[in-house]
Amino acid sequence: GAVVSQHPSWVICKSGTSVKIECRSLDFQATTMFWYRQFPKQSLMLMATSNEGSKATYEQGVEKDKFLINHASLTLSTLTVTSAHPEDSSFYICSARGGQGLTNEKLFFGSGTQLSVL
Amino acid sequence: KQEVTQIPAALSVPEGENLVLNCSFTDSAIYNLQWFRQDPGKGLTSLLLIQSSQREQTSGRLNASLDKSSGRSTLYIAASQPGDSATYLCAVKVSSNTGKLIFGQGTTLQVKP
Repeated sequence: GAVVSQHPSWVICKSGTSVKIECRSLDFQATTMFWYRQFPKQSLMLMATSNEGSKATYEQGVEKDKFLINHASLTLSTLTVTSAHPEDSSFYICSARGGQGLTNEKLFFGSGTQLSVL
Repeated sequence: KQEVTQIPAALSVPEGENLVLNCSFTDSAIYNLQWFRQDPGKGLTSLLLIQSSQREQTSGRLNASLDKSSGRSTLYIAASQPGDSATYLCAVKVSSNTGKLIFGQGTTLQVKP
């Protein structure tokens, strides 16, 4: 089946620093990737949608200048949390929608990144 | 605004029991509904996907039903095993031209040997 690799799986950083999270589709070309965030005991919430080669579309309430998303190729999308603060501490998970040869109904998820900002 | 609710939040059962997880959504105009499994430190795994025109899907010991008119879906797990212990999430997709999924908060299942 389709595999999505997300790295790192966990990261601890100091307040004010930036953190980059990578999401790769290993065996398929992901035309669209999605970034979700999950705070403790809350639902997964979509942050943004990125299509290869174009700017990401952010959900209401998500700061695009704080959460930079780059989808430069069909197999890689990155999320950079800039000037991280403790309230950004959360579980971030990406998902990818396949292109040719894969049903575009299902989403394939990465393993997630637990971010802790001190 | 579409909201998805899962009940119960947590469930503990002895091995071998059949069990039902519930998912409800406020707006019946959905495109599809999907059940996921979430294991600690791992990504979400899609278990079953039900299109809006379907009433149920089955995979092995899992059976998911969908009743759009009442805004409900259930995930039935037969003959539960300790390896079924995980958090189960349901999510609805509201239209065909978006990848946005609206998730419930999940049901954490523990199956005791």
